[in-house]
Amino acid sequence: NAGVMQNPRHLVRRRGQEARLRCSPMKGHSHVYWYRQLPEEGLKFMVYLQKENIIDESGMPKERFSAEFPKEGPSILRIQQVVRGDSAAYFCASSPALGRQETQYFGPGTRLLVL
Amino acid sequence: AQSVTQPDIHITVSEGASLELRCNYSYGATPYLFWYVQSPGQGLQLLLKYFSGDTLVQGIKGFEAEFKRSQSSFNLRKPSVHWSDAAEYFCAVGVGAGNNRKLIWGLGTSLAVNP
Repeated sequence: NAGVMQNPRHLVRRRGQEARLRCSPMKGHSHVYWYRQLPEEGLKFMVYLQKENIIDESGMPKERFSAEFPKEGPSILRIQQVVRGDSAAYFCASSPALGRQETQYFGPGTRLLVL
Repeated sequence: AQSVTQPDIHITVSEGASLELRCNYSYGATPYLFWYVQSPGQGLQLLLKYFSGDTLVQGIKGFEAEFKRSQSSFNLRKPSVHWSDAAEYFCAVGVGAGNNRKLIWGLGTSLAVNP
């Protein structure tokens, strides 16, 4: 049973470009979470999605960031017009069902570097 | 407000010594608590979790944690540390209700192991 997959593992972008981060949840999991880990800071929740629905985006910056989890295919975290402050590790997690006690399983992360 | 505090930013122990990493949480409802470990450049691996029942929970790699409601703590322990345990350790609490749930994280404790 493959784990959570994220790609790319490393992404380099210049300021003003777009970054697309992909996350394929574990088989059978229909809930996806995105977290950001900034240097010298802890992990911060960004967004929680179910198939075709954004459930909670309270941690997403208001501008330039968007997320989707289509019926088919991976979840995508999209960052438009990246700035140096977007440089961070972005982690995706998935869980199988409802309930806040459900364990979230994490992918290896995407390290984004903005030059 | 919901929060997780890991008082120790960095800990160094000798191989074979015992280990205790502290975690305190603030959450109004019944907490669901997790410990994750992150090796350099890697993703997050679940060590153990507490949902209910026995307050002493066993995890992988010989780790255990004890939930103490009166102290709002969920400290991680290991009786004998191995060099391969050197990593970053994160405590988290699952918050939310119904469809709205996410993990709130401590800032992490970096563990170094001396040979």
